[in-house]
Amino acid sequence: QVQLVQSGAEVKKPGASVKVSCKAFGYTFSGYYMHWVRQAPGQGLEWMGWISAKSGGTNYAQKFQGRVTMTRDTSISTVYMEVSWLRSDDTAVYYCVRGNRVYDAFDLWGQGTTVTVSS
Amino acid sequence: DIQMTQSPSSLSASVGDRVTITCRASQSISNYLNWYQQKPGKAPKLLIYGVSSLQSGVPSRFSGSGSGTDFTLTISSLQPEDFATYYCQQSSSVPRTFGQGTNVEIK
Repeated sequence: QVQLVQSGAEVKKPGASVKVSCKAFGYTFSGYYMHWVRQAPGQGLEWMGWISAKSGGTNYAQKFQGRVTMTRDTSISTVYMEVSWLRSDDTAVYYCVRGNRVYDAFDLWGQGTTVTVSS
Repeated sequence: DIQMTQSPSSLSASVGDRVTITCRASQSISNYLNWYQQKPGKAPKLLIYGVSSLQSGVPSRFSGSGSGTDFTLTISSLQPEDFATYYCQQSSSVPRTFGQGTNVEIK
């Protein structure tokens, strides 16, 4: 079955880091770009960046430059996103998302990982 | 960054109504415009990509139109399962940006 399965919920203190994983099933992993999108409680969707599953190349939103790192492990069809120096306003649901090949529309979403930042 | 502005922010409609949501980009995005539906507690779902292409499995009552900077999502006959929040998104350039969302509520 074609799906993205993310790691479980995390609770972190301000200043800490969090690393979320996303494992792909049922399709050719290296054929797509993978994006990360987050959604704060009661808010809209915010794009964080993408990683090429094939090359490992990345492109981050300027807002997250220097604080977010996206990596991938092709041997296990998994992408990772690490956010460092967490703040309370990083509390959100984080989604990994596959971009389709035609318009890079987000056609496959993970179930989401809730990250709570609280002292 | 390209700003995406949706209108209205919310609307109330009845089952069977025709519903239209508009999305305006701050600069031309050609046909790199996508629409998503999100229900509470769930991940968004792709409805339409490239302005008007229906994603596999999406009912034909959903349609999209527009070009350049102005786009529309239309639900021809609203069904109970369509009550949700809808987002437009541009994939023309980075950063990818979303509209603020339109909440479709039961009248």
